[in-house]
Amino acid sequence: GAVVSQHPSRVICKSGTSVKIECRSLDFQATTMFWYRQFPKQSLMLMATSNEGSKATYEQGVEKDKFLINHASLTLSTLTVTSAHPEDSSFYICSARPEVRQGATDTQYFGPGTRLTVL
Amino acid sequence: LAKTTQPISMDSYEGQEVNITCSHNNIATNDYITWYQQFPSQGPRFIIQGYKTKVTNEVASLFIPADRKSSTLSLPRVSLSDTAVYYCLVGDRDNNDMRFGAGTRLTVKP
Repeated sequence: GAVVSQHPSRVICKSGTSVKIECRSLDFQATTMFWYRQFPKQSLMLMATSNEGSKATYEQGVEKDKFLINHASLTLSTLTVTSAHPEDSSFYICSARPEVRQGATDTQYFGPGTRLTVL
Repeated sequence: LAKTTQPISMDSYEGQEVNITCSHNNIATNDYITWYQQFPSQGPRFIIQGYKTKVTNEVASLFIPADRKSSTLSLPRVSLSDTAVYYCLVGDRDNNDMRFGAGTRLTVKP
């Protein structure tokens, strides 16, 4: 159980275009999802926290108008990189945290990641 | 916000036990401690989670002292496939502080 998928796994786009990445929790409902970005040989950098049905909370320095996050259902969150530029090339990873239930702790489950390359 | 500190890297040999310690001096009362493993170009994979004392599952053990200011991930009899980056994460459901530290890059040698 606790599987999170991301689509696409890899995308190459031209500078100036927009790219949408989907994150789905396949076998559980997730009230909260997180989006991370990871550059080579670096740790994961939290970009934003999204809660189903409300606006995402962005980390300092992350442009909310550039990285649009939608969390319309308990199993789906999307990240849209608008007007992508080469410096946006990175590995984007989402995670999902199961709904509160009896005995639930703080575990989040990660997707496999999306490699974005902007030419 | 509970910040974590881990060694940047560790080397080991196949068959040895590896212990990776994470410091989290300002851990809050409601915080849990979770360890993840990450291979290149993959998302982190949950290893183990604990609150206090000792937790053991089929792949690892987690030791947490009484003051909870640190935790130690223990990997028994590592193999080459355990070469990865290991992260400890401290947080609870309420603060949403899901920021990763630098992680520990473990290299297992033959």
